[in-house]
Amino acid sequence: AQSVSQHNHHVILSEAASLELGCNYSYGGTVNLFWYVQYPGQHLQLLLKYFSGDPLVKGIKGFEAEFIKSKFSFNLRKPSVQWSDTAEYFCAVRKGNTPLVFGKGTRLSVIA
Amino acid sequence: GAVVSQHPSRVICKSGTSVKIECRSLDFQATTMFWYRQFPKKSLMLMATSNEGSKATYEQGVEKDKFLINHASLTLSTLTVTSAHPEDSSFYICSASQGAGRGQPQHFGDGTRLSIL
Repeated sequence: AQSVSQHNHHVILSEAASLELGCNYSYGGTVNLFWYVQYPGQHLQLLLKYFSGDPLVKGIKGFEAEFIKSKFSFNLRKPSVQWSDTAEYFCAVRKGNTPLVFGKGTRLSVIA
Repeated sequence: GAVVSQHPSRVICKSGTSVKIECRSLDFQATTMFWYRQFPKKSLMLMATSNEGSKATYEQGVEKDKFLINHASLTLSTLTVTSAHPEDSSFYICSASQGAGRGQPQHFGDGTRLSIL
């Protein structure tokens, strides 16, 4: 079955540490890729998305993600995290006109 | 822009009652709305897709008679959990899109936490 995998359930980092959250998908063919963030008590917000072109995508708040087609991956990165980045991060994939399919999410806790 | 309002944010009710959750697009016309369910430590699971004016398309394993979805206007979709039981307790999230096309983003509501006693 087609799926989206986020391997890290909970990541704990100190402020200023670098972040990389993994996302792999099992879809074949052309896909659209997304990262969403859900801050405590808030709704899902789009961080960044990839449709085509440059596989390195820049998003809001200093986040970026790299699409590696050969690895079916779309990992999220940030060079230096802040306490305010504490949130749940969801990778999502969309193929054609189908709805988004989400990974299980990764909880990021940033400590001072 | 692109605000989706979901109401109520939290509901607690007795087993056997029916609960209605509303999802409204406040500043755009949502031709397509999606209902997701999120279990603890699990991903958002798509329950159904609804297009304005037509019957919802349910995902495999989702009981259409249990989870009634109505999308009567371009700004409102409702999910009614009929005869709710404790196993229906979950976090329900709606999202709305101006279409189902490739370039149309999905905008999410804040979610509704449903607790059935």
